Amino acid sequence: EVQLVESGGGLVQPGGSLRVSCAASGFSVSSNYMNWVRQAPGKGLEWVSVIYTGGSTRYGDSVKGRFTISRDNSKNTLYLQMNSLRTEDTAVYYCARDPAGATFGDAFDIWGQGTMVTVSS
Amino acid sequence: QSVLTQPPSASGTPGQGVTISCSGSSSNIGSNTVNWYQQLPGTAPKPLIYSSNQRPSGVPDRFSGSKSGTSASLAISGLQSDDEADYYCAAWDDSLNGYVFGTGTKVTVL
Repeated sequence: EVQLVESGGGLVQPGGSLRVSCAASGFSVSSNYMNWVRQAPGKGLEWVSVIYTGGSTRYGDSVKGRFTISRDNSKNTLYLQMNSLRTEDTAVYYCARDPAGATFGDAFDIWGQGTMVTVSS
Repeated sequence: QSVLTQPPSASGTPGQGVTISCSGSSSNIGSNTVNWYQQLPGTAPKPLIYSSNQRPSGVPDRFSGSKSGTSASLAISGLQSDDEADYYCAAWDDSLNGYVFGTGTKVTVL
């Protein structure tokens, strides 16, 4: 079955660090564009980052310089390392696949269930 | 702050139709395709429309998308109670060099 499962969320103090993971099954993360999208409580969706098949990355302005996206092909897992966390980073973090082919445009076709990150003292 | 603007809410009675607008600019909707996502309460988003007007398999033809210039629209015909959800438009933005989501529209079936 094609699916994404996030883990690693939790409570962290402002200024702290946390790494969330996204394990993929049924497909290879290295053959797709893999994204992180977040949603603050009661708010809309915000794109965070993407890692392309070639390994290059892009970030949203609100996390640039603080967050790092990466993947481990041997574990078929996507990661988001979050440093210098702020209270405004509190959100559910979703990983999402962009199959990067003409058959689906640049839409995200598979989403995980999300993992909650709370930044609070 | 979202760069794609949607109305905060829309509503209709069962069987009616609703249309949700998504306003952007030349750097996003004006030069790239638009995707729409449906988020049911308490769940992850799911793709509803891709490449501005294409439906993934399994999405009913009651849902349709269109794009003109720097704006896009999602139309839902024959409203059903199951359609109560939040709807988001999205597109790549060439100036920001990132993906942008709309502000979201909550659809209520009266």
